[in-house]
Amino acid sequence: DGGITQSPKYLFRKEGQNVTLSCEQNLNHDAMYWYRQDPGQGLRLIYYSQIVNDFQKGDIAEGYSVSREKKESFPLTVTSAQKNPTAFYLCASSLRDSLNTEAFFGQGTRLTVV
Amino acid sequence: QKEVEQDPGPLSVPEGAIVSLNCTYSNSAFQYFMWYRQYSRKGPELLMYTYSSGNKEDGRFTAQVDKSSKYISLFIRDSQPSDSATYLCAMNTGGFKTIFGAGTRLFVKA
Repeated sequence: DGGITQSPKYLFRKEGQNVTLSCEQNLNHDAMYWYRQDPGQGLRLIYYSQIVNDFQKGDIAEGYSVSREKKESFPLTVTSAQKNPTAFYLCASSLRDSLNTEAFFGQGTRLTVV
Repeated sequence: QKEVEQDPGPLSVPEGAIVSLNCTYSNSAFQYFMWYRQYSRKGPELLMYTYSSGNKEDGRFTAQVDKSSKYISLFIRDSQPSDSATYLCAMNTGGFKTIFGAGTRLFVKA
């Protein structure tokens, strides 16, 4: 089945640690996105990538980093600089590389700082 | 003021009821309007996608866009317990940035 796989489903981070969230897709989509979801708020865009080896900051990129070395993969690193990292993180891809409308989402990673 | 406003609910209805979910927005440049359904602890899935104004129907779901009022709606006919989820509206002007509403939680009671 085609889709987006995020791992792990749950992740616990100690204060001061960097952690990396995995996102893999086999939909052959060029564009990929990372969102953060907090209770009572809409999804907020962290980073997006239109093509391999290129990515752009979204609205809340501070404290996060990404890479796009392969079309299928778009990992997100939550660094120790992110002040409030506890959230539900969603990876997505879209069919059209210039228009983020019909997006396909992964099942999410819930990150908790302990 | 948020660009997209959505009542968080929860909205509780009996099985078989017609459900109306709504969003208002402030940016008149939005042209693309989406509704996503999100089950608890899962990623959102696209339900409906509409370009510009008008209605679109897909099975039990109807999406309406009124650009003059900056108001969009999703109607669910013959609601089922399996429709219990959070419904997110989303809008786009024609590029990479999609703005999401906070979501409305819906409970359909058997």
